[in-house]
Amino acid sequence: AQSVTQLGSHVSVSEGALVLLRCNYSSSVPPYLFWYVQYPNQGLQLLLKYTTGATLVKGINGFEAEFKKSETSFHLTKPSAHMSDAAEYFCAVAKTGGYNKLIFGAGTRLAVHP
Amino acid sequence: KAGVTQTPRYLIKTRGQQVTLSCSPISGHRSVSWYQQTPGQGLQFLFEYFSETQRNKGNFPGRFSGRQFSNSRSEMNVSTLELGDSALYLCASSPSPGQGAGEQFFGPGTRLTVL
Repeated sequence: AQSVTQLGSHVSVSEGALVLLRCNYSSSVPPYLFWYVQYPNQGLQLLLKYTTGATLVKGINGFEAEFKKSETSFHLTKPSAHMSDAAEYFCAVAKTGGYNKLIFGAGTRLAVHP
Repeated sequence: KAGVTQTPRYLIKTRGQQVTLSCSPISGHRSVSWYQQTPGQGLQFLFEYFSETQRNKGNFPGRFSGRQFSNSRSEMNVSTLELGDSALYLCASSPSPGQGAGEQFFGPGTRLTVL
């Protein structure tokens, strides 16, 4: 069975500091990996996704993530945090051949302080 | 293009009642998935419909059901509501026709409160 673990339910950074949100997955087959962001009272918005190919994936709003098969990780980073980045972030995995069924991590709430 | 729309946005029901939620996908998208989001269980997959057929199902009791119409609009129904069904129900549409997981576009959700 597939699963996703997000380390740290709450992360707090200062504006301008590096953002690092951790995600580890387990999957018996090559996975598809996603990061979504959710702002209060809104649905989820896709930040980036990994399917195949280049392991460093660039997304919207300056975010990027690196797929590391040996570590079963897909951590999300952003070099410089903005106040507008404050939101909840979800890592998700989908199984190859599993259509659009996403398995989500528990989420990490990011706070950005001035 | 208009995004995914969900109606109603807020709903209050009492235990034992049933409820129907509606989702209109992005034009041209044939895959619609439903997720339940609660503080305790997080985001959980309910089911996915593609071309009016359910092709994926999560681990929810039979009280949760869905359907998709020929125009790709989808409804989900919950019968005999329980307090634990209080949640944000999210609908997502995807243009992905094949077996690979495509990008999913989420609606704003329907907030269901069961009293």
